[in-house]
Amino acid sequence: NAGVTQTPKFRVLKTGQSMTLLCAQDMNHEYMYWYRQDPGMGLRLIHYSVGEGTTAKGEVPDGYNVSRLKKQNFLLGLESAAPSQTSVYFCASSYKGTGGSSNQPQHFGDGTRLSIL
Amino acid sequence: QQPVQSPQAVILREGEDAVINCSSSKALYSVHWYRQKHGEAPVFLMILLKGGEQKGHEKISASFNEKKQQSSLYLTASQLSYSGTYFCGTPANFNKFYFGSGTKLNVKP
Repeated sequence: NAGVTQTPKFRVLKTGQSMTLLCAQDMNHEYMYWYRQDPGMGLRLIHYSVGEGTTAKGEVPDGYNVSRLKKQNFLLGLESAAPSQTSVYFCASSYKGTGGSSNQPQHFGDGTRLSIL
Repeated sequence: QQPVQSPQAVILREGEDAVINCSSSKALYSVHWYRQKHGEAPVFLMILLKGGEQKGHEKISASFNEKKQQSSLYLTASQLSYSGTYFCGTPANFNKFYFGSGTKLNVKP
């Protein structure tokens, strides 16, 4: 019963470095999401995907790219890390959409704590 | 489009009740509630789909008034295990989702 697994759990980067965060789910969910969580600001949607091969921008997409080549995996990339991207990143998945006729709950991974110096 | 939550923080003694509110300037079609304990992932509590609908989870229940564009979460006879940050969230156009900024609940013995 792995659910949603995020790797790595912690990472420290220097400004300008690049890295990829991996999210894997084993629940056969169609939808996947990347959020960032900063103190006092709740969770903000970065990018999301409604199915394999499709991605879309969320509320705060600048500085990030994503890919969903396989249904079970959703990758978040930082091409040139900046101190403003220091945050806790959460991946989530849902069976179908969260609204409309679907109204599915989201299942979250344990998060990746990323510090950029 | 982020919903607004109030209060930002609540301190309770075990056995006391609390209410957390969530409101939006945009029309609400459904409201989702999550709880996040310190250092952990958010965990789903419930979804409210219809105006006036109430649902429950243990001694935690919620109401949804779509006319007033708001939802309230009721925590009855709070337990130490209820401590954490509570988030409401709402789906938006094109499969986006917006969370409120959270309400931190601290239940003391």
